[in-house]
Amino acid sequence: ETGVTQSPTHLIKTRGQQVTLRCSSQSGHNTVSWYQQALGQGPQFIFQYYREEENGRGNFPPRFSGLQFPNYSSELNVNALELDDSALYLCASSSKSSGGLGYFGPGTRLTVL
Amino acid sequence: KNEVEQSPQNLTAQEGEFITINCSYSVGISALHWLQQHPGGGIVSLFMLSSGKKKHGRLIATINIQEKHSSLHITASHPRDSAVYICAVASWSSGGGADGLTFGKGTHLIIQP
Repeated sequence: ETGVTQSPTHLIKTRGQQVTLRCSSQSGHNTVSWYQQALGQGPQFIFQYYREEENGRGNFPPRFSGLQFPNYSSELNVNALELDDSALYLCASSSKSSGGLGYFGPGTRLTVL
Repeated sequence: KNEVEQSPQNLTAQEGEFITINCSYSVGISALHWLQQHPGGGIVSLFMLSSGKKKHGRLIATINIQEKHSSLHITASHPRDSAVYICAVASWSSGGGADGLTFGKGTHLIIQP
């Protein structure tokens, strides 16, 4: 079991609402990546934060935004929710000392109605 | 953009059988990860490889950088090995930022008693 936690575990929202998902990283890890996994698909990279700055971004619109805090925990914010945003959202923490090996959290399952 | 292909997509085997799952990718990488995802979504990192071979218990992972191919083997398979196994590759953008991981769609493995 890793030290990466995510909250909440499940969330139901309606179209147009905003949501904030949270991730606490493994102790000593300074990099957090967020992924979206639609049902039956592999995860897709959303963005990565390194030392509180965005360090890479996948093909997601600006309504997907994030933050990383001084303790390296992170938030994923999604504005103007759409039905297609329904997915499992995974975060993974890593560091150079871990050799880039990411430790994944259990995920937050978001349902948009 | 790296394309990651896994095969087979689905695999059902009897307890005790030797299992092989394959992964191929299209562009040079810095590392390849093998991940295990159980129902409910939690992802566990099994291996990270940049060359050669790694072994952990009944699991063996190999990578051939020249052929852009990796395999995950399970010896003496057991019903508790039933899960989705995902291959993911790490690469770096030309700007030095992080592209995160590119995931395969996963191999759904069922081991029957």
